[in-house]
Amino acid sequence: DAGVIQSPRHEVTEMGQEVTLRCKPISGHDYLFWYRQTMMRGLELLIYFNNNVPIDDSGMPEDRFSAKMPNASFSTLKIQPSEPRDSAVYFCASQGTGVYEQYFGPGTRLTVT
Amino acid sequence: AQSVTQPDIHITVSEGASLELRCNYSYGATPYLFWYVQSPGQGLQLLLKYFSGDTLVQGIKGFEAEFKRSQSSFNLRKPSVHWSDAAEYFCAVAGYNNNDMRFGAGTRLTVKP
Repeated sequence: DAGVIQSPRHEVTEMGQEVTLRCKPISGHDYLFWYRQTMMRGLELLIYFNNNVPIDDSGMPEDRFSAKMPNASFSTLKIQPSEPRDSAVYFCASQGTGVYEQYFGPGTRLTVT
Repeated sequence: AQSVTQPDIHITVSEGASLELRCNYSYGATPYLFWYVQSPGQGLQLLLKYFSGDTLVQGIKGFEAEFKRSQSSFNLRKPSVHWSDAAEYFCAVAGYNNNDMRFGAGTRLTVKP
């Protein structure tokens, strides 16, 4: 298996633009997690899905952030409009039921200027 | 909600020396505990995990960790550090049937030649 795949690996955009981050989980995993990592706040859970359904989005910082999982093999995290304080590394992770081991993707480094 | 404290932000050890990274958790019941490692520009990789049973758990790359309920600790150890162990190490805690994994702030390990 190729592991968790994220795209793009790097994204540079201007303030106010829409940003879409993509994630393909490991096949057969039914949990998907989105995290944000910054120097100031460390690694934060933003939202997670189970069987494509959002279970807990309490970590989503504000309404500018939205996440979807239209099918078992694809998820997006969208920021609209983006702001400089959104600059961070965004990780996607997936997990199988009852396994309690999250497999992380390589991350997307987002820079908003 | 569960939480994790990693008291050491940065540790430097000499190659070949022993290593212990500290982790304290807060959780009202029996926790699920994890150690992850992150190399620069990479995602997180699971080193080891504790769910139940033997309180001394072995992981990959020669690492081990010991769960001490009385001290609410889950310290990571390695008897002899290699230069390739230089990375950021994260302790994490989750509750049973709870996918809301909380990460510590991380400890950055530097290995001196």
